[in-house]
Amino acid sequence: QSVLTQPPSASGTPGQRVTISCSGSSSNIGSNIVNWFQQLPGTAPRLLIYENTQRPSGVPARFSGSKSGTSASLAISGLQSEDEADYYCAAWDDRLIGYVYGSGTKVTVL
Amino acid sequence: EAQLVESGGGLVRRGGSLRLTCTASGFALGGHGMTWVRQAPGQGLEWLSYISETSKTKHYAASVKGRFVISRDNGKNSLYLEMNRLRDEDTAVYYCARRSGAGYEDVWGQGTLVTVSS
Repeated sequence: QSVLTQPPSASGTPGQRVTISCSGSSSNIGSNIVNWFQQLPGTAPRLLIYENTQRPSGVPARFSGSKSGTSASLAISGLQSEDEADYYCAAWDDRLIGYVYGSGTKVTVL
Repeated sequence: EAQLVESGGGLVRRGGSLRLTCTASGFALGGHGMTWVRQAPGQGLEWLSYISETSKTKHYAASVKGRFVISRDNGKNSLYLEMNRLRDEDTAVYYCARRSGAGYEDVWGQGTLVTVSS
């Protein structure tokens, strides 16, 4: 059972907006930055969003992150077929003294 | 371009040991903290361990603490994971990743598969 809770799946048609939630607690999201990773089928994870809202160079602007209290969200605006992937949130946990990942959300483009 | 390449995976008997190596190129390993993450078949990501730039600080997930040992040789630009008393549930793809000073994994290797079999 993951410390960070994500919905197992999300879907949308091309061009739609999809939002993925990540729920944690005061010891992780509530007191540390949240990062998001994208994992395309059969590949290694890739950093998608860091420090709650920042996009690394090369990540399209349609990806955005936010954080409020003990929850965070990833939004994909203008969904594209190449966005079909698994998405994971992550944060350091001060109580566990370790990094924790969300359970992962599979995004399907209909 | 910064790159990480894992090696050392394979088939190992339950209770056995294995050492994974992560070799860095395109950047100086000694300037970064490093982590190991694994992914069991069909499952999500699981953080395993972190080591600071000088090896002064090490952290482990409860699932591997006391069985796995993280280490590094900055002169060889290499990171290691010594895995002992392996269990069936350790079967996974193991990734090494570079951790930025701000606390996120910004470079990942392609992974190496470890299969534990009786």
